[in-house]
Amino acid sequence: DAKTTQPNSMESNEEEPVHLPCNHSTISGTDYIHWYRQLPSQGPEYVIHGLTSNVNNRMASLAIAEDRKSSTLILHRATLRDAAVYYCIPMYSGGGADGLTFGKGTHLIIQP
Amino acid sequence: ETGVTQSPTHLIKTRGQQVTLRCSSQSGHNTVSWYQQALGQGPQFIFQYYREEENGRGNFPPRFSGLQFPNYSSELNVNALELDDSALYLCASSSTTLDRDTQYFGPGTRLTVL
Repeated sequence: DAKTTQPNSMESNEEEPVHLPCNHSTISGTDYIHWYRQLPSQGPEYVIHGLTSNVNNRMASLAIAEDRKSSTLILHRATLRDAAVYYCIPMYSGGGADGLTFGKGTHLIIQP
Repeated sequence: ETGVTQSPTHLIKTRGQQVTLRCSSQSGHNTVSWYQQALGQGPQFIFQYYREEENGRGNFPPRFSGLQFPNYSSELNVNALELDDSALYLCASSSTTLDRDTQYFGPGTRLTVL
């Protein structure tokens, strides 16, 4: 499994953009980069995933470096509800039988 | 569309006892994975079930076992409970046909072993 490095915690203000970085320098060429988040007292929730190109959905954007050794999850306008632990998880397509490998993630704090 | 549900919400057991946790997968999903999350840590993969058979397993001893039923619901059984088994147990369902790499998690069962 590719090793990931994420900041332990980050703080941002409500209604401002948030950029959550993840280093995955040992990522395989076939690994997708998945992001999940876990709100307090809840199970993890899928956010977004991508392979090479930048990806957008209604929750967030994912910017992937050209060499794929790092990626950044972008929350365009943070709300208090976005306060959660964010996990960056490389995984090859169809690799669900090996399970998701969660690290410690980044604890995102949103200030009102 | 019903999401992933788990029961019970909380459970207290004594060391040495056995426990069964239950999970109903999201409608249309045929695969169930189980995770253990200790306090302050990320979830750790226990195993996955597909077509009523164990399809993949993490680094957990055999006293952690499971079942999947024809309706795709699942059970996690833990025998000979140890104090370190105290954790949040998460179930996640997914589909092998639609969006197969995305897992949808339930709220978890909080197990306390005394």
